[in-house]
Amino acid sequence: GENVEQHPSTLSVQEGDSAVIKCTYSDSASNYFPWYKQELGKGPQLIIDIRSNVGEKKDQRIAVTLNKTAKHFSLHITETQPEDSAVYFCAATDSSYKLIFGSGTRLLVRP
Amino acid sequence: EAQVTQNPRYLITVTGKKLTVTCSQNMNHEYMSWYRQDPGLGLRQIYYSMNVEVTDKGDVPEGYKVSRKEKRNFPLILESPSPNQTSLYFCASRSGNMNTEAFFGQGTRLTVV
Repeated sequence: GENVEQHPSTLSVQEGDSAVIKCTYSDSASNYFPWYKQELGKGPQLIIDIRSNVGEKKDQRIAVTLNKTAKHFSLHITETQPEDSAVYFCAATDSSYKLIFGSGTRLLVRP
Repeated sequence: EAQVTQNPRYLITVTGKKLTVTCSQNMNHEYMSWYRQDPGLGLRQIYYSMNVEVTDKGDVPEGYKVSRKEKRNFPLILESPSPNQTSLYFCASRSGNMNTEAFFGQGTRLTVV
């Protein structure tokens, strides 16, 4: 079945710098790759997603890239702000549309 | 407001005492699921339901039960809780078009002593 690996597990950046989180997946049939942000005491919330027919997608300061050949996708956050501090999860859907999540990245943006 | 509502938010119980965590969504979603979140392990699916009266095991179903008698509700039942079920639990729902956003509840922090 699908397996999603996420790195790094923790990431600390200075406010204004960029942050990059990387994920790899195993099932070449996967075609939907969402990213979720989980703030303290809350449930995960979708921030951006990408489908397999697209290589890159941007939404203001966040972007996601997908390399289907290498089976990896990445989240890029530019001009980081303290409110970006949270846990981020990548995910991929398997052939039965089940969401398989990575293990999460705790991002800390230092003021 | 579109939302998934879980109750209770916090629960401390003793080993073996049956408990139910409720989940309700107001978006008319077909697909609902339960996850547990443990440090370093991400979100692991416990059970899911494709529609009313249709449920199936996820990756970590042992010790849990679910039911889907109505489209909006998907309760998680622990018949005989054990300490290894101490975790943070999330309910989520998605529309029938599977490659769409999953909406999560606020979470239930369960401690079994």
